[in-house]
Amino acid sequence: DTAVSQTPKYLVTQMGNDKSIKCEQNLGHDTMYWYKQDSKKFLKIMFSYNNKELIINETVPNRFSPKSPDKAHLNLHINSLELGDSAVYFCASSRRRGDGEQYFGPGTRLTVT
Amino acid sequence: AQSVTQLDSHVSVSEGTPVLLRCNYSSSYSPSLFWYVQHPNKGLQLLLKYTSAATLVKGINGFEAEFKKSETSFHLTKPSAHMSDAAEYFCVVSSNYGGSQGNLIFGKGTKLSVKP
Repeated sequence: DTAVSQTPKYLVTQMGNDKSIKCEQNLGHDTMYWYKQDSKKFLKIMFSYNNKELIINETVPNRFSPKSPDKAHLNLHINSLELGDSAVYFCASSRRRGDGEQYFGPGTRLTVT
Repeated sequence: AQSVTQLDSHVSVSEGTPVLLRCNYSSSYSPSLFWYVQHPNKGLQLLLKYTSAATLVKGINGFEAEFKKSETSFHLTKPSAHMSDAAEYFCVVSSNYGGSQGNLIFGKGTKLSVKP
């Protein structure tokens, strides 16, 4: 069984559209994260979510909104997509907040045209 | 603020030769440090972690890293490279600050190429 899964794996869409990426973890972890990896492979935290507490990286535009229906899921919704949103988005989880040992999903490659 | 600097963007070795990937860190506190690996078109996988226990840390696939406080370094090594080691390697520090505690701060990555 895949520990952290994401769907879709690839997402191609036009500017201005709204899209969502889904993430599920079956590890029983308390904390989940979203990361963005740009074209130069640089990874940056976007959000962390623990027990209904959302910690937002202040550099993330408010067009991005994480939604967590339950502890095992953290979806990423993006409004009004822009060309600069093209990247690979990774979901991750850890046992608890503050645990640097994280388990990553396979990534979603988003291309905005 | 905490940060990590990976000193080489690309390292190329021959199969069977040693691997050295260099990382320096900056932290006001005793840091938690990690190495993650990303194989092409894959997610990231934890190789090893340092959390103030033994300074020499052993990880998966024969990799190890040594924490040297005097040099603020956490270099990753492997005695003998294998073709399957070709990947992107990230040195990572875990934030100790307030609301961002536990968030990972990534280096820019080192691409390891292994020649037959």
